[in-house]
Amino acid sequence: GENVEQHPSTLSVQEGDSAVIKCTYSDSASNYFPWYKQELGKRPQLIIDIRSNVGEKKDQRIAVTLNKTAKHFSLHITETQPEDSAVYFCAANGGGSNYKLTFGKGTLLTVNP
Amino acid sequence: NAGVTQTPKFQVLKTGQSMTLQCAQDMNHEYMSWYRQDPGMGLRLIHYSVGAGITDQGEVPNGYNVSRSTTEDFPLRLLSAAPSQTSVYFCASSYFSLAGGLREQYFGPGTRLTVT
Repeated sequence: GENVEQHPSTLSVQEGDSAVIKCTYSDSASNYFPWYKQELGKRPQLIIDIRSNVGEKKDQRIAVTLNKTAKHFSLHITETQPEDSAVYFCAANGGGSNYKLTFGKGTLLTVNP
Repeated sequence: NAGVTQTPKFQVLKTGQSMTLQCAQDMNHEYMSWYRQDPGMGLRLIHYSVGAGITDQGEVPNGYNVSRSTTEDFPLRLLSAAPSQTSVYFCASSYFSLAGGLREQYFGPGTRLTVT
């Protein structure tokens, strides 16, 4: 099946700095890569996603890049704010079915004021 | 528009008991799925469905059954609860098409299950 590795597991930055979270995947047939944010005690919510026909996508302070050759994708958050503090999960479809989503183990981002 | 709802919010079971976690959505989404979330393990897919009458196994299906008799409902059944099934369970739904593939999944609030 699909294997998604996510690094780092924890990340602490100062307010205003940038944060980068990286993920690798194993299934070369994967074509959908979403990122979810989960605040403490809440449900996961999609923040951005990218498909394999696009190399980069931006939405205000958030961007995702995809390198299909290397099978890795990254989340970039610029000008971080305390409300960005949460657990972030990457995911990829694949593993024998385009309709299965495999998640990374998550990154706890802490933004210090 | 309630979105994705799950009941119960909390549940304690004894080993060997069975129960059904309920999930419903009112967005007319074809795709529905169940995940479990354990500390340090991320979200792991248990079962999913691409439409009424169609279900398939995810990454960790053992010990769980599902059915999809309507578009709105996707219950998860624990046949004989074990302590290893102690977890937070999330149901999710999504628009879906064979041409478009997966899209944003909308998660329910979760059910916290403890098996003693």
